[in-house]
Amino acid sequence: GQNIDQPTEMTATEGAIVQINCTYQTSGFNGLFWYQQHAGEAPTFLSYNVLDGLEEKGRFSSFLSRSKGYSYLLLKELQMKDSASYLCAFESGGSYIPTFGRGTSLIVHP
Amino acid sequence: DSGVTQTPKHLITATGQRVTLRCSPRSGDLSVYWYQQSLDQGLQFLIQYYNGEERAKGNILERFSAQQFPDLHSELNLSSLELGDSALYFCASSPYNRAAPDEQFFGPGTRLTVL
Repeated sequence: GQNIDQPTEMTATEGAIVQINCTYQTSGFNGLFWYQQHAGEAPTFLSYNVLDGLEEKGRFSSFLSRSKGYSYLLLKELQMKDSASYLCAFESGGSYIPTFGRGTSLIVHP
Repeated sequence: DSGVTQTPKHLITATGQRVTLRCSPRSGDLSVYWYQQSLDQGLQFLIQYYNGEERAKGNILERFSAQQFPDLHSELNLSSLELGDSALYFCASSPYNRAAPDEQFFGPGTRLTVL
């Protein structure tokens, strides 16, 4: 079957680095997404990994290992506004329709 | 502001009732996607329409139905409501039938509370 797992909650300090892990199981895997969602707001797209390796976009980077069914989102130089839920999702079967994890609530404190 | 509008913003109703949620996509977008987000299930894809036709179906209950009209706005109908249907319902739109995640634009959501 299909399964996706990520930690429920993480805390970190302003200015620090945090890594949010995501593991998944599916057949016909095509790609993995990360979204950011502030409380009560719509998800906003962060990254989409298809190939193995690290992709960097400013303070955010996303890593994928297809053979291990593993991804992580790396956030550097944390800011208070980074406090949000981070949703990991995979897409399989070529439809771009994502299957989401339950999200990791990141709390950044001073 | 993504350009996608959803009404109403909040909706409170009772069990057994029926409600309709409305979504207007960005100008020119042909695809509409509906998602449900509840505390215990996370964000789940429900259904996609492209230019008036159903294109993909996810975990949508038989009590739920949707349609996309000729002017491309979409409605999600929820009937025989249960307490567990309380959730945020998001609509997203894109210009394409198959849209990569950075090509889907989310609306602000409708918060449904079933009492």
